[in-house]
Amino acid sequence: DAMVIQNPRYQVTQFGKPVTLSCSQTLNHNVMYWYQQKSSQAPKLLFHYYDKDFNNEADTPDNFQSRRPNTSFCFLDIRSPGLGDAAMYLCATSRDLGGWGITQYFGPGTRLTVL
Amino acid sequence: GNSVTQMEGPVTLSEEAFLTINCTYTATGYPSLFWYVQYPGEGLQLLLKATKADDKGSNKGFEATYRKETTSFHLEKGSVQVSDSAVYFCALSDPNAGGTSYGKLTFGQGTILTVHP
Repeated sequence: DAMVIQNPRYQVTQFGKPVTLSCSQTLNHNVMYWYQQKSSQAPKLLFHYYDKDFNNEADTPDNFQSRRPNTSFCFLDIRSPGLGDAAMYLCATSRDLGGWGITQYFGPGTRLTVL
Repeated sequence: GNSVTQMEGPVTLSEEAFLTINCTYTATGYPSLFWYVQYPGEGLQLLLKATKADDKGSNKGFEATYRKETTSFHLEKGSVQVSDSAVYFCALSDPNAGGTSYGKLTFGQGTILTVHP
């Protein structure tokens, strides 16, 4: 089945120690998104890639970076995690950006714990 | 700007009860509407969607009808099961949104549903 895969499902890091979260997709979608979700709140968009074009949300801290080396993979790098960065990180994809009925498909998420 | 408002939770029901989760929206254009479900410890799964007025999305016994006149997309299920316990998010995507809103999902705050045997 075509899908969005996130690894690892659970990640524990130390305060200030860089960490990378991974997302891959077999949907061949053009757009990949990274969201941060705390508790049962709505996900908060951090940034997205449309193909190779990177789009950062205005309120995303500089501590968060992303890379998309090819269509299938996208990485979230947290350069110096703080306790407030502990959250669920969700990757999503969509065929296109905008347009009627364009749907985002989410991965299972990575739960990040910062000690 | 665009916004989505869901009914306050948490919602607690007994198995086989009828479920309604209200969702209303504000949008500048003609949005597509979605319900996502998030089971404990999991990511969001698309439950159903509708892209034009009077469309009914349905999946797994859940239904929602796009009502443009009342700007609503209420989620319903006739008989809930314990396995339906989850957080439900209503969301919209506005294809006519410009600027920084283009192509983005606007989420409601989520409704926690707990179903008891």
